[in-house]
Amino acid sequence: KQEVTQIPAALSVPEGENLVLNCSFTDSAIYNLQWFRQDPGKGLTSLLLIQSSQREQTSGRLNASLDKSSGRSTLYIAASQPGDSATYLCAVNFGNEKLTFGTGTRLTIIP
Amino acid sequence: DGGITQSPKYLFRKEGQNVTLSCEQNLNHDAMYWYRQDPGQGLRLIYYSQIVNDFQKGDIAEGYSVSREKKESFPLTVTSAQKNPTAFYLCASSRRLNTEAFFGQGTRLTVV
Repeated sequence: KQEVTQIPAALSVPEGENLVLNCSFTDSAIYNLQWFRQDPGKGLTSLLLIQSSQREQTSGRLNASLDKSSGRSTLYIAASQPGDSATYLCAVNFGNEKLTFGTGTRLTIIP
Repeated sequence: DGGITQSPKYLFRKEGQNVTLSCEQNLNHDAMYWYRQDPGQGLRLIYYSQIVNDFQKGDIAEGYSVSREKKESFPLTVTSAQKNPTAFYLCASSRRLNTEAFFGQGTRLTVV
């Protein structure tokens, strides 16, 4: 069964720290992987998309990496800010027309 | 502004009623999707459409129906056959299947 896991479910860090969010998946034959941000009661905002052939993608203070052989992706956030507080979702496209989502990591940045 | 518009933002349904959630996109995307989000669970796919006049069932299609008469629109009807419809519903689109997905702001449906 194709599954996506995000641990921990919640994370609190002081403002200014660098942090890493984790995502693991059970099948290495992925098509692509997407990281999203979700604010309470809102929709999903796409942060980064990594294609199967790529090892990492960067956007501003965000860097996402992909290691298919180990079934892992990480989202690195540099110099965290209170505005980064949100739930971060990892979604994997296993090539079957849908995204398989993890349950997310709820991030709180402490001022 | 290009994007995906879902309406209404909040919807209340009485027992036995059908309700329709609207989803419109102006991104010129071929593929559109409906997902359901429940607390503590990952998003689950209800239906998807890769082209006008074509749609396919996702993992939890029972009690739902869709249509795709226009490229820009993919409405979702929650029928009375859906036994537990209270959830947050998210519409998404992508240029084609298996490419980067973009989501709307969601509709929260509550059964009263």
